[in-house]
Amino acid sequence: QITLKESGPTLVKPTQTLTLTCSFSGFSLNTNGVGVGWIRQPPGKALEWLALIYWDDGQRYSPSLRSRLTITKDTSKNQVVLTMTNMDPVDTATYFCAHSLAAAGCFDDWGQGTLVTVSS
Amino acid sequence: SYELTQQPSVSVSPGQTATITCSGDELGDKYCSWYQQKAGQSPVMVIYRDNKRPSGIPERFSGSNSGNTATLTISGTQAVDEADYYCQSWDSTTARVFGGGTRLTVL
Repeated sequence: QITLKESGPTLVKPTQTLTLTCSFSGFSLNTNGVGVGWIRQPPGKALEWLALIYWDDGQRYSPSLRSRLTITKDTSKNQVVLTMTNMDPVDTATYFCAHSLAAAGCFDDWGQGTLVTVSS
Repeated sequence: SYELTQQPSVSVSPGQTATITCSGDELGDKYCSWYQQKAGQSPVMVIYRDNKRPSGIPERFSGSNSGNTATLTISGTQAVDEADYYCQSWDSTTARVFGGGTRLTVL
């Protein structure tokens, strides 16, 4: 059974850097074809894909946010970390991490999400 | 950047067929997935690779993808199907992209 759980601060100030951790079980990021992605959802709005990291350490980023995002993995801890710099109130959202299979291009298991509020 | 367009809302009576569409340039050449999100919950994948149904997803959910349009069809819609639905696609350049979502109301 695959499970994922996001953790990190619930409140950050404008201009600060956000660091979120996705802790997972039930799969390994050493396995060929496996990836973990981050998706966010502002209150009352649509899902927005942010970043993805693959088993081979390949990384993909949303073109509109690429300059602010970094995704890394620690396979020994079964964790994926997302950092987002220069946070703004418009970045207030629930942030989800999700398991992905490269061949299918989809997100088949999701974490519960964590709400991050950006406010001074 | 690549964009996917969905109608904001769809209404259907219980037992009827709900059709939710997703449009994008040459979308039929890419894989499309669909997610159901109920209020306050995480999304759940209901269709992947255009028309594949994950285990545990009812047979009333089906998908197709051709030309510029992908379609999610819910046959015999039930009250429990009321939710927001998102399409999602990918290619080698955009990696991943979501549509704007469609709110399904079962009247």
